[in-house]
This record gives sequence, structure tokens and C-alpha cells, in this order.
Amino acid sequence: GQQVMQIPQYQHVQEGEDFTTYCNSSTTLSNIQWYKQRPGGHPVFLIQLVKSGEVKKQKRLTFQFGEAKKNSSLHITATQTTDVGTYFCAGPRGSQGNLIFGKGTKLSVKP
Amino acid sequence: GAVVSQHPSRVICKSGTSVKIECRSLDFQATTMFWYRQFPKQSLMLMATSNEGSKATYEQGVEKDKFLINHASLTLSTLTVTSAHPEDSSFYICSADRGAHEQYFGPGTRLTVT
Repeated sequence: GQQVMQIPQYQHVQEGEDFTTYCNSSTTLSNIQWYKQRPGGHPVFLIQLVKSGEVKKQKRLTFQFGEAKKNSSLHITATQTTDVGTYFCAGPRGSQGNLIFGKGTKLSVKP
Repeated sequence: GAVVSQHPSRVICKSGTSVKIECRSLDFQATTMFWYRQFPKQSLMLMATSNEGSKATYEQGVEKDKFLINHASLTLSTLTVTSAHPEDSSFYICSADRGAHEQYFGPGTRLTVT
């Protein structure tokens, strides 16, 4: 069945270093979404990418959607302690808006 | 922004009892809501898709008679865990589709069955 894979599973960085998480789908996606879940919290919608090759930026976060619409990445420049959390990518499955989530990348930032 | 509330945030119940969790979209109407389960340090596992005015669609392996879902209005979906057992202890999170398939998550309900 459809799978969404995410790497790495964990990433430990020093504050100020960059961070990237990668997402790969076994099928072509109509869109891809990214969510952030802080420790003890719930997932919060960050962004949706729809177009092939699309790049979107939110301050220090850069999101890319691959040309084949099967992979995506999230890059954080100069991480801060507030970036700590687990970042999930998710792709749609079916027509009801169901999402299939990657396993997430847990980011820890050492001050 | 879109706000989704969930109640209760935490519940402890005895084995064999039933627990109802409510999910409300506060500032938008949601034809579709989703129920997830998340084990510690793991990803979200979709349990079921709740559609207003119709029966929920359950994922493979999820017992519909154990996890009763009701989507009575465009702003409210409920999940009832019937005859709860310790293995049902988990973090249950709902989300609501505001359109364009963007999902907004509730704060979650931590269920502990003793």
C-alpha cells in the first residue's frame, strides 16, 4: 500500500546549525503537508505544497516539493531552541482528505 | 486561525467502562473529521474518518464496535471507546478538515485505562 517515509528519525543539532528532514512517498502525491508537534502537544499545520518543484519559505523554514511530486524536504536555517519538536510530513490518501503521515523527525536543539 | 477543541484532555477510567471524547471545530464547519491514535514517540495512526450525517469509515484493523464514532453536526464529532481495556490507553487526537484538505488538530485526549 501507499507509504510515506521520512528520514532521519532523530536529529540532534547545536543551536545555530541547520536542519533538514526528507520525506518520500511511494506514490505521486497531489499535495504534501508538513506539521510540527511540540513535546506534549498536538500536530500543528505548517504548510501545504501543491505544485511540482514548489518552494515555499516561512522565515527560517524552507519547504520543497519534488519535481515528480513524490518527495519533499523541510530545511531550517540557524536552528533555535524553539524549533524543538517532531516534524511530520503527510500526503493525501483517497478522496476524503485522509492523510498518511510519515514517522516524523524528532529535532532536538542544544543551546 | 482554525481552532479545534477536544474534551476531555485527560481521562482515567477503569477497565470495562466506556469513555466518550468530543472533538469540536470552534470557528469553522467541518464536514469531515478524523480520529487518530498516537503511541509514545510514534507517528499518528488514522483510526477512522468521520463524515457529518453518515457512517464513519474505519481503517483496517480498527474495531468499529469498540470505537464508536458519531458526527452529529458540522462542528462536533465524538469517539466513544467502549469496554475500555489497558491496551486502549493512548493519546487520541482528532482533526478537522477546513477545506483544501488542510487538517487542524485538537489538543488530544490522553486516555489511561486502569
